[in-house]
Amino acid sequence: AQKVTQAQTEISVVEKEDVTLDCVYETRDTTYYLFWYKQPPSGELVFLIRRNSFDEQNEISGRYSWNFQKSTSSFNFTITASQVVDSAVYFCALDSNYQLIWGAGTKLIIKP
Amino acid sequence: DTEVTQTPKHLVMGMTNKKSLKCEQHMGHRAMYWYKQKAKKPPELMFVYSYEKLSINESVPSRFSPECPNSSLLNLHLHALQPEDSALYLCASSQEGLAGGSYNEQFFGPGTRLTVL
Repeated sequence: AQKVTQAQTEISVVEKEDVTLDCVYETRDTTYYLFWYKQPPSGELVFLIRRNSFDEQNEISGRYSWNFQKSTSSFNFTITASQVVDSAVYFCALDSNYQLIWGAGTKLIIKP
Repeated sequence: DTEVTQTPKHLVMGMTNKKSLKCEQHMGHRAMYWYKQKAKKPPELMFVYSYEKLSINESVPSRFSPECPNSSLLNLHLHALQPEDSALYLCASSQEGLAGGSYNEQFFGPGTRLTVL
């Protein structure tokens, strides 16, 4: 079965703290893609990253970094020096037959 | 132009009304999607058009009727909706159609917030 678990329903931190959002997935496919999307209060889903199953290199984009570990079926997302504008719901997703299997989302609250 | 636009932003309709949601992209993307999202939940896939043909219909009730007039436009016609259909309706597009052989990221519009009275 294909499944994505984001166990953290809500995380609240003070601005400038680092925060990690967890994502654990299940799939029997040998080739698959994983995604992170951000949904701010305005509602629009913003694509952040796509990672394929053959590329286990960690990725850094500014204050954002992603840690993909196939051995533990995890694709965690870290925000360094968080800012109030990072407040949003973050979704992790797994592709399955060209459809996205979504995690439940983690609501991130950054307090000034 | 790297965005997906949706109109209207908000829509309130009665259960006997007929309305349409519109979505447009000018990125040359070959697949377009409709999603429904309830509060505090992830998006649920409704329909997928690939190369202007309906490829996936996730058992959506017939009161929702999609239409893809051309490769840039996607409509969702609404008729005889129920209050439980109130939700955020999101349109998305991706570069390759579903036969593209590899998955590519979907780009989402801002959504239409629909309220059915």
